Amino acid sequence: DSGVTQTPKHLITATGQRVTLRCSPRSGDLSVYWYQQSLDQGLQFLIQYYNGEERAKGNILERFSAQQFPDLHSELNLSSLELGDSALYFCASSGSDRLGADTQYFGPGTRLTVL
Amino acid sequence: ELKVEQNPLFLSMQEGKNYTIYCNYSTTSDRLYWYRQDPGKSLESLFVLLSNGAVKQEGRLMASLDTKARLSTLHITAAVHDLSATYFCAVRSYNNNDMRFGAGTRLTVKP
Repeated sequence: DSGVTQTPKHLITATGQRVTLRCSPRSGDLSVYWYQQSLDQGLQFLIQYYNGEERAKGNILERFSAQQFPDLHSELNLSSLELGDSALYFCASSGSDRLGADTQYFGPGTRLTVL
Repeated sequence: ELKVEQNPLFLSMQEGKNYTIYCNYSTTSDRLYWYRQDPGKSLESLFVLLSNGAVKQEGRLMASLDTKARLSTLHITAAVHDLSATYFCAVRSYNNNDMRFGAGTRLTVKP
């Protein structure tokens, strides 16, 4: 158990809808990262937050947004969903603000299915 | 654009043998990562390599980084079945904070 929790585990929704994925980092970790894994696109880094502020941005679509709250949990919002958004979404946490400067601990993932 | 190429994509090994996975990348980077993913599971961080010539070892796995050649290797020594998994490398762009992953190497270790 990495100490990182993600909810929900599974999510099934329809095209055009909006969903929110939630991530709680390990106790004491200030950085949260979001990744997407799909058969078509492979693994992609989406975005990093550190102590509430955006620190690094990857291949994140404009339809997607994220934020980190004062209690350090993070939410990834996906809107106007398309079939191609079906994927596993992982979050990870670490203690550092520099992307990957220290070990990242990954949550179990949320499997999103868009029908 | 930062591109990361991993090879081989599939690797079937016998227990006890040695092998190397290669990770090439296209632009200047100051940080390279290796991850492991078991089937149906999440990712596990293996190594973070921060400088040219960096070498890290954990058990039967050893990772190295040559920033001049833009190449990292993950060497497997005396493979055991428990090492069967998919291994990903990822590179952080020096110019921004984007991060790109390789396609992954699916390793199967047979008895």
